[in-house]
Amino acid sequence: NAGVTQTPKFQVLKTGQSMTLQCAQDMNHEYMSWYRQDPGMGLRLIHYSVGAGITDQGEVPNGYNVSRSTTEDFPLRLLSAAPSQTSVYFCASSDGQAGRRMGYTFGSGTRLTVV
Amino acid sequence: GEDVEQSLFLSVREGDSSVINCTYTDSSSTYLYWYKQEPGAGLQLLTYIFSNMDMKQDQRLTVLLNKKDKHLSLRIADTQTGDSAIYFCAELLSGKSTFGDGTTLTVKP
Repeated sequence: NAGVTQTPKFQVLKTGQSMTLQCAQDMNHEYMSWYRQDPGMGLRLIHYSVGAGITDQGEVPNGYNVSRSTTEDFPLRLLSAAPSQTSVYFCASSDGQAGRRMGYTFGSGTRLTVV
Repeated sequence: GEDVEQSLFLSVREGDSSVINCTYTDSSSTYLYWYKQEPGAGLQLLTYIFSNMDMKQDQRLTVLLNKKDKHLSLRIADTQTGDSAIYFCAELLSGKSTFGDGTTLTVKP
């Protein structure tokens, strides 16, 4: 059981480039979220989804797009990378209302640097 | 996170108890969580408490919840060097979790 898989683990982008961070889970979880983690700022929610076909904005959505065409996958797209998007990105999933006791299962993160 | 607050640093000696505090703002939160993050890794769930509980004990971990003051604490008994990590509290509302900024626990031998 792989859990939550994020790819790539590391990425360097030039300002203005676009890319997609991949996230896949094999636990049939309803809920999926993307967070960014910056020093001294904890985890900030970018976008989240409560099921296939449903997405919503979190605290810091600007510059990012998401889609949820399947239960398993929740890719995060950076439209035009900026140095302010240098961060560690975490994808997480949860078994919805039925799995509230279990909280979120996190991926191991993608470390993104924008130069 | 903007709705969940924690102190940033805590340092204790090995064998002592550690108490990490958290305040949250949304009284409709039904579940509150504590996560642990070790260097270079994602977050792992340590424990949770349901909002109708005051206390939950799980081996060396004790969670206290004061709903009136919207205050949550995590006590780690007999703290070990392996407990050194960042600890996050989080609340769950409407399918999304909001996290505090994390408390870095340093355990000195």
